[in-house]
Amino acid sequence: QSALTQPASVSGSPGQSITISCAGTSSDVGGYNYVSWYQQHPGKAPRLMIYEVTNRPSGVSHRFSGSKSGNTASLTISGLQPEDEADYYCSSYTISTNLGVIFGGGTKVTVL
Amino acid sequence: QVQLQESGPGLVKPSQTLSLTCTVSGGSISSGAYYWSWIRQHPGKGLEWVGYIYYSGSTYYHLSLKSRITISIDTSKNQFSLKLSSVTAADTAVYYCARGNYPNPPDYWGQGTLVTVSS
Repeated sequence: QSALTQPASVSGSPGQSITISCAGTSSDVGGYNYVSWYQQHPGKAPRLMIYEVTNRPSGVSHRFSGSKSGNTASLTISGLQPEDEADYYCSSYTISTNLGVIFGGGTKVTVL
Repeated sequence: QVQLQESGPGLVKPSQTLSLTCTVSGGSISSGAYYWSWIRQHPGKGLEWVGYIYYSGSTYYHLSLKSRITISIDTSKNQFSLKLSSVTAADTAVYYCARGNYPNPPDYWGQGTLVTVSS
């Protein structure tokens, strides 16, 4: 049950925009529009930031946006702020496992 | 707003059974559209599926844990539970319960509970 592929780390200065990629296959990211993104601060539970590729739950800042091209989904954080420093995980529906959902390995975002 | 809360021992001895309960508030666990899941995170590592259950009782387990795991649901108490037998130090992790709306990944998560396997 292989994970989706994310970069280990991404960094940016306050005010900049950064993008985190999440690479999958046609059996998951590329084949279905059920990609979610989570933010996790140290010692805290994951928080849903994006669902169904582009949708933001109520209360999530408009600075967070999601997109997809082919087998790769992306999370963009605009106007980077210190509180955005966290781990980010992608997740997708998949037909490749009995569980039907897989996670990415996570990306550490550092605000310089 | 749905809330989930994990409870159970924080320390389990090797070879014994880890038992956790997740109490759901702000919504019914009997809603047919949702699955109720357990996800764990080893120290400093990423998220790992343990398994999940529907209110009907249908279960789906991570293949590597299937021989040791039982997830059950108690609709009268609005709770679901995890039992993981024959634990080793490799089962030391923060365990989260979470709700999902299939085929979407989980949306609401509990705060997590650290379970340490040690004698």
